[in-house]
Order: sequence, then structure tokens, then C-alpha cells
Amino acid sequence: EVQLVESGGGLVQPGGSLRLSCAASGLTFSSYWMNWVRQAPGKGLAWVSRLNTDGRSTTYADSVKGRFTISRDNAKNTLYLQMDSLRAEDTGVYYCVTEGYGEYVFMEYWGQGSLVTVSS
Amino acid sequence: SYVLTQPPSVSVAPGKTARITCGGNNIETKSVHWYQQKPGQAPVLVIYYDSDRPSGIPERFSGSNSGNTATLTISRVEAGDEADYYCQMWDSDTDHVVFGGGTRLTVL
Repeated sequence: EVQLVESGGGLVQPGGSLRLSCAASGLTFSSYWMNWVRQAPGKGLAWVSRLNTDGRSTTYADSVKGRFTISRDNAKNTLYLQMDSLRAEDTGVYYCVTEGYGEYVFMEYWGQGSLVTVSS
Repeated sequence: SYVLTQPPSVSVAPGKTARITCGGNNIETKSVHWYQQKPGQAPVLVIYYDSDRPSGIPERFSGSNSGNTATLTISRVEAGDEADYYCQMWDSDTDHVVFGGGTRLTVL
């Protein structure tokens, strides 16, 4: 059974930093492209970032580009999201998600999410 | 950037058929995927590549994609199908993942 367990969320002041982690099990982690998807309170899903299998190719949503950094440690089966210069609008639940295999990108397995609250 | 448009809400009686649409410019040339999210839970993939069902998803869930509209169809709707549904595609020009705004399905 695939399990993705996020951690590292919490309350942070505007302008602050936070690092999320996602521990993966039940799959060959190094074979999967990975994503972060977030959801503001009462709002819809919003894609944040994706990362290829060896960690060398990244893409970011315009809203987080230059402030967030996605990375991975395949030896530890762990995905990360370093979030800097946080803003109130970054508040929400952050999901760690694997991509399914194929020509087009889709989100296959989801973690339960980690809540990030940016507030003074 | 590419935009996916969903109706905010759809209502259906138990046992009837629910259709949730996802509009986009020439969307039939894209591959559309659908997710179900129940309150307090993470999303679950219910349809991928327009019409394929992951293992464990009931046959009552089906998808289609034509022209400027992709559609998720849920037949013989049950109370347990009440949830938010999101469509999603990948914009290969920008390498960005795009979600629709979501549709709340209410079972009357």
C-alpha cells in the first residue's frame, strides 16, 4: 500500500520560512515524478510544483516561483518543499502527490496533507 | 495560461445520473483527469486519461471529452457520492498542472 505522510506544517509569521517533508513508502519512490498541491481554506485545489525522478528538473506555479524550492532525497524516500518569504495567501493544506505513469501528467497517490498557517 | 471552467454546484436525486462538466478551449486535444474530494479528506483519482478508471473505482463513474467540454458522469448516484469534484489537465507548453475550480455534487 502506497503511503505518503507529510510533516512540518504549522503557524509562521508573514515573511517567515517553513520546510515541509513527505515520507513515502509502499512504492519505488525514485521512479516517480512528485508534486505539491495546496488548498486554501474553503477553496479549490491549486498546483504548486513538480519534480522529476532525479531531482534535477523542477517547475513552479507563478504564485510561488522564486520563493519555494522543491527537492527530494531518493535514499531517504522523502520529498521536500522549502517555503520562504511566506505570505498570508500561502495558508492552506499542502498535499504531497505522486504522478501516474504516461504521456500526460495526472495525480495518482495523495498524502493526507499538512496545514500551513501564515499569520501574525 | 490554460483555464478549466466547472459549474460551482450540481444537484441530483439518488439513483439518477449526474454530469459534471469541465470547459476549456479545444479541450478535446488535452487529456483530462478527475478527482473526488470528500469533506476533511484528501482527493482521490476517479478518472484519468479522459475515461480510464483506476482500480477500485466503481463502473458507475465514467468520463468523456469532446470539443470544448470534458464530462464526468456518475450513474445511479448514491448518497456516498456527495463530494467536490475537480478536473485537471497538464499544459505541456508551460509544464504547469491546471485544476478546474471544482464542482460540489449534492445528492438530494
